[in-house]
Amino acid sequence: GESVGLHLPTLSVQEGDNSIINCAYSNSASDYFIWYKQESGKGPQFIIDIRSNMDKRQGQRVTVLLNKTVKHLSLQIAATQPGDSAVYFCAERSGGYNKLIFGAGTRLAVHP
Amino acid sequence: NAGVTQTPKFRILKIGQSMTLQCAQDMNHNYMYWYRQDPGMGLKLIYYSVGAGITDKGEVPNGYNVSRSTTEDFPLRLELAAPSQTSVYFCASSTDATDTQYFGPGTRLTVL
Repeated sequence: GESVGLHLPTLSVQEGDNSIINCAYSNSASDYFIWYKQESGKGPQFIIDIRSNMDKRQGQRVTVLLNKTVKHLSLQIAATQPGDSAVYFCAERSGGYNKLIFGAGTRLAVHP
Repeated sequence: NAGVTQTPKFRILKIGQSMTLQCAQDMNHNYMYWYRQDPGMGLKLIYYSVGAGITDKGEVPNGYNVSRSTTEDFPLRLELAAPSQTSVYFCASSTDATDTQYFGPGTRLTVL
């Protein structure tokens, strides 16, 4: 499949550990944030989102934290599994028409 | 539902050739988007459409054209291919301006 992110920062974790992936966003006026997961050869897959009037949102095994003071977003994955290995992107919605601005991505490598 | 489908999966073009990347969705989504993804980078918006007959430029529209004659289809046209257009192209769709964007599997284009 296509190689995505040849020179991306990589987070290596042991299976079963918790993972934290960080993202800095650019526009203090952004009102909506999303985390996507991208496996090799596939399109981005929605994981979880959060609106700017919240600071935390939980899903199944995932939590997103939003710190608007420092324009920082994080994705926490509990009990990381080999199937979580992928590139993770944060995106912010800035402006109208649902236009998303994507970060560069972080590669998560899960080791048994 | 097939979701968002893209053809072809891979293509090699010579400089100056033209081609159309096809995108279709069967979810009756009003909004559709074209992104490109370069190695080590996040996705950048090329063009988007908020409904049949309505299109607008994104971040990096130069060298591309789009049309939206039906709700289902959103083709991306490259008229004079250049090496700088070597990239992976993703199409996405959403119900409206606030909905999550769902991505297709991508088209890997190489211009030599």
